[in-house]
Amino acid sequence: DQQVKQNSPSLSVQEGRISILNCDYTNSMFDYFLWYKKYPAEGPTFLISISSIKDKNEDGRFTVFLNKSAKHLSLHIVPSQPGDSAVYFCAVPSGNTGKLIFGQGTTLQVKP
Amino acid sequence: EPEVTQTPSHQVTQMGQEVILRCVPISNHLYFYWYRQILGQKVEFLVSFYNNEISEKSEIFDDQFSVERPDGSNFTLKIRSTKLEDSAMYFCASILDSPGTFRGGKLFFGSGTQLSVL
Repeated sequence: DQQVKQNSPSLSVQEGRISILNCDYTNSMFDYFLWYKKYPAEGPTFLISISSIKDKNEDGRFTVFLNKSAKHLSLHIVPSQPGDSAVYFCAVPSGNTGKLIFGQGTTLQVKP
Repeated sequence: EPEVTQTPSHQVTQMGQEVILRCVPISNHLYFYWYRQILGQKVEFLVSFYNNEISEKSEIFDDQFSVERPDGSNFTLKIRSTKLEDSAMYFCASILDSPGTFRGGKLFFGSGTQLSVL
């Protein structure tokens, strides 16, 4: 039962270009969406979130777009930097206990 | 910046043995979690804990698992009789505010304990 799906296991982009990471979800009742970043040997760290009442949220080089009709969200990183190389997880809170449902993750490699 | 601390970073055990994974959440946080990630798979929720009791647990969190907050700072995950399939990276996480009131889900994760069951 994959409620949150990231269909691209990996993505490679050149430094300075745009990185676009995608996430699909199945439950139209989800009301908040988050992106976490994970470096090797570290835990996930919160990156950016978006409420379902918005279609865009921007924080510096990071922008998340939400398309509710398509049940799709995307994370744009521009310009991409080598330090952005990490695994990116899409996640949604489920219920009121703080449980997060994660996607499978996309490994981003930004080449200098 | 305050952080969630987990020990040990690596734990190797024999099948059938008991293990205790330890976590020190951020000091003023009230909600605590364990997640795990089997190699190559997604991060999975195990259990949430608030006010000294489990508030939610997943199907993975069966009778072999237990959590405890033995004092004001530590939060532990015990696996009573480990199985090969328990091999995974286990992450502790915490959050200050009620996750029901702030839907951002901005959990703070530790660096994880890599558990290897042989």
